[in-house]
Parts: sequence; C-alpha cells; structure tokens
Amino acid sequence: DVKVTQSSRYLVKRTGEKVFLECVQDMDHENMFWYRQDPGLGLRLIYFSYDVKMKEKGDIPEGYSVSREKKERFSLILESASTNQTSMYLCASRSGDGRSYEQYFGPGTRLTVT
Amino acid sequence: GDSVTQMEGPVTLSEEAFLTINCTYTATGYPSLFWYVQYPGEGLQLLLKATKADDKGSNKGFEATYRKETTSFHLEKGSVQVSDSAVYFCALMDSSYKLIFGSGTRLLVRP
Repeated sequence: DVKVTQSSRYLVKRTGEKVFLECVQDMDHENMFWYRQDPGLGLRLIYFSYDVKMKEKGDIPEGYSVSREKKERFSLILESASTNQTSMYLCASRSGDGRSYEQYFGPGTRLTVT
Repeated sequence: GDSVTQMEGPVTLSEEAFLTINCTYTATGYPSLFWYVQYPGEGLQLLLKATKADDKGSNKGFEATYRKETTSFHLEKGSVQVSDSAVYFCALMDSSYKLIFGSGTRLLVRP
C-alpha cells in the first residue's frame, strides 16, 4: 500500500514564525502536491513538484514556498506565518508514469496560527 | 478555467436511504473525473473514477456515470450505511494533469 505521511497532525504557531510542514511518500512517486483545505472551498493547490528540485506554483502560492531535495520528501514552508494561513494542509503523491491518475493523500496537518 | 460544482451539504439521511450527490463540471475537452472521500480525521482517498464519456465508475456500492451531454458526474448509492458518513469531493483532472476539486459535500447517515 502507498503510504504518505505528514510530520504533524496538529500544529500551533505564532504570527511571524517560520513554519515547516514535511511530507514523505514511500512509493517512489515522481509527483508530489501540497493543498490547503478550507470549509466551503474544497482543496486548493499551493505548489507541486514533478521531480527532485523541480517545483511549480499552483493556484494559491502566495506566502508559501517548497523544497524537494529528495524524491520521497516534499516540504511546505511558511516564511512568516499569518492568521489567514490557519487551515488544514494536505500532501499528496502520484506516479509519473502516465498509467495511473490516482493521487494518494496523507492524513493532513491542521495548522493554527495565533 | 476548469471548475467543478457540487451540491452544498450537509446531506443527512437515514440508514438504507438512497443517496445522490450532484456534481457538474466546466472544462475544455473531456477530462477524467473522480470522486474522493474523506473520512473523519483522515486524508482523501479515491472512491471511483471515469476517464471517458459514458464510463461508469463504481466502488463499495457507489456509482457515478460520466455524462458528456450534461457535463455531470453525480454520485449515487442505493442504500447508505452509517459508515458512509464522510465528506465527498468531486474532481476533474485538467490538461496539465492537476486535480481541480469541488467544495465538498458532507454526508451524515443516521442509524
């Protein structure tokens, strides 16, 4: 079974702090994604990566950056956390071989910025 | 741009009732369509998919048919169980292979 793990289930940070959210997948997937989930808005794509050291902006990249130094790990960084970044963050991965469309999701990190 | 619209929730049903969650989409071309489910405290998992017009996706008693003429992909189940209580997301895959999600519909099934 594909497993996508996220470093924390719950996180509380203060405004202005630098925040790191880590995601690790164990299926050698090329593609990895970061979403945020907010009530009534569904999931919105923040950033994605097609390969190591490659990154592409999604629909709402402002205030976020990412890092992918190893294939299995994709990190989301909030350089200076703000209260409007309080949300559920979901990581996902997908094979890049073109035969599978399924994205596999981690359990999510609920981030509260006070 | 591409978008997905699904019915607002919550949807509250009694056990063994019939379920329909409506989903319509706007896209160029004929995208692949998906239903994902999120159980309490968990991430999303793929429930079913359809990759071309008239395809029917099915899993765990749930079904959805890709209707090109009405640009719809409604989710149905003949008899829901308490364990089906979750949030359901309709999604399409755009031309860049990214998923675009609807806003989600919460389903609550009462015993």
